[in-house]
Amino acid sequence: QKEVEQNSGPLSVPEGAIASLNCTYSDRGSQSFFWYRQYSGKSPELIMFIYSNGDKEDGRFTAQLNKASQYVSLLIRDSQPSDSATYLCAVRNFGGYQKVTFGIGTKLQVIP
Amino acid sequence: SAVISQKPSRDICQRGTSLTIQCQVDSQVTMMFWYRQQPGQSLTLIATANQGSEATYESGFVIDKFPISRPNLTFSTLTVSNMSPEDSSIYLCSVETGQETQYFGPGTRLLVL
Repeated sequence: QKEVEQNSGPLSVPEGAIASLNCTYSDRGSQSFFWYRQYSGKSPELIMFIYSNGDKEDGRFTAQLNKASQYVSLLIRDSQPSDSATYLCAVRNFGGYQKVTFGIGTKLQVIP
Repeated sequence: SAVISQKPSRDICQRGTSLTIQCQVDSQVTMMFWYRQQPGQSLTLIATANQGSEATYESGFVIDKFPISRPNLTFSTLTVSNMSPEDSSIYLCSVETGQETQYFGPGTRLLVL
């Protein structure tokens, strides 16, 4: 079982719609969760991080965390063509320094 | 966040040679890391670059193949030694700042022929 699982996509949504990106993780001790955006040919760029159960909103982005279900998601409202990229979910375990494990990423395509 | 630069940005190398990649940060950071991202795959941590001591390597990566230096809190190098076509990849430096968040450099795109 992969430690961090994402559907590689592509996920296609029309412009203006809500894009929902999902991620599951295997280690119940995981405490910190991150979403990165990676444009083709570029390096990953941090979008959001979340530590507590529930929702965290930042502009058009909302991260949702459910530790009981070991599930984290990213919602993008009013999707724009410029949001077309690969979105990487990353997870860090609890206790001291633990490495961050990345999912394979979901490719999002926003259709004008 | 931090401003991170990497050199070279890309290179084409011959089998059996070595390439050293440099990572420079605009501020002092405690944690620096080296990742590899192969086509169609996720980011894989190679090692944590420790200042003043040997790097900490992840399973599957060894110092002889990927020697790392970290002479101070703003600079690190990764060498890819005795390269083969399987080493063709993007190599990324990252740093950790407050709130346990990591920021990535622009990457080095390596092609080994």
